[in-house]
Amino acid sequence: QLVLTQSPSASASLGASVKLTCTLSSGHSSYAIAWHQQQPEKGPRYLMKLNSDGSHIKGDGIPDRFSGSSSGAERYLSISSLQSEDEADYYCQTWGTDIHVVFGGGTKLTVL
Amino acid sequence: QVQLVESGGGVVQPGRSLRLSCAASGFTFSSFGMHWVRQAPGKGLEWVALIGYDGSNQYYADSVKGRFTISRDNSRNTLYLQMNSLRAEDTAVYYCARENYSGYPGYWGQGTLVTVSS
Repeated sequence: QLVLTQSPSASASLGASVKLTCTLSSGHSSYAIAWHQQQPEKGPRYLMKLNSDGSHIKGDGIPDRFSGSSSGAERYLSISSLQSEDEADYYCQTWGTDIHVVFGGGTKLTVL
Repeated sequence: QVQLVESGGGVVQPGRSLRLSCAASGFTFSSFGMHWVRQAPGKGLEWVALIGYDGSNQYYADSVKGRFTISRDNSRNTLYLQMNSLRAEDTAVYYCARENYSGYPGYWGQGTLVTVSS
């Protein structure tokens, strides 16, 4: 069964960098994923599609501070020069069998 | 500029029905698949349903299959979610989302809150 695992929380200081992780379940390490950001009290926002080779295509208007990378079954979202507005929940998402969408549980990022 | 505006949420008793709408603008609605995704209070995102660009194919999460129906009216640029036999666990903010060219939910609305309670 396809499962995406994310740490529930992460924190980093203003101006610093952070790397969030999404882990694909066994047997699914070749899957591409998408990253979505959800700021407090807002709808989600698509950040990027991230392939297993680390190549990624960002959504409209996503700053260069956001980037993606991959290693095996792990998919990463890196944010540099953290700003207060980056404090948000971050979700990874992929496609399961029978055209079903699967989300990870989300990581709540706190900017200190 | 892609705009998606959900409506139709509210408070409804268990077992009753509700229909949500999503008004789309800023793009050719009939060219893109559309999703419904929900978020229970304090919880993460849960995919609900997907409909193809022309309405000929629909896909559902197991949790709503047989109770919810996704549909679209391309002449009105509007997406729908008919929700029947509602349960307390269907309480959530419901978002519509448009597929992007990579096939992922690439544009999201602001959501409409559905509360199922007696």
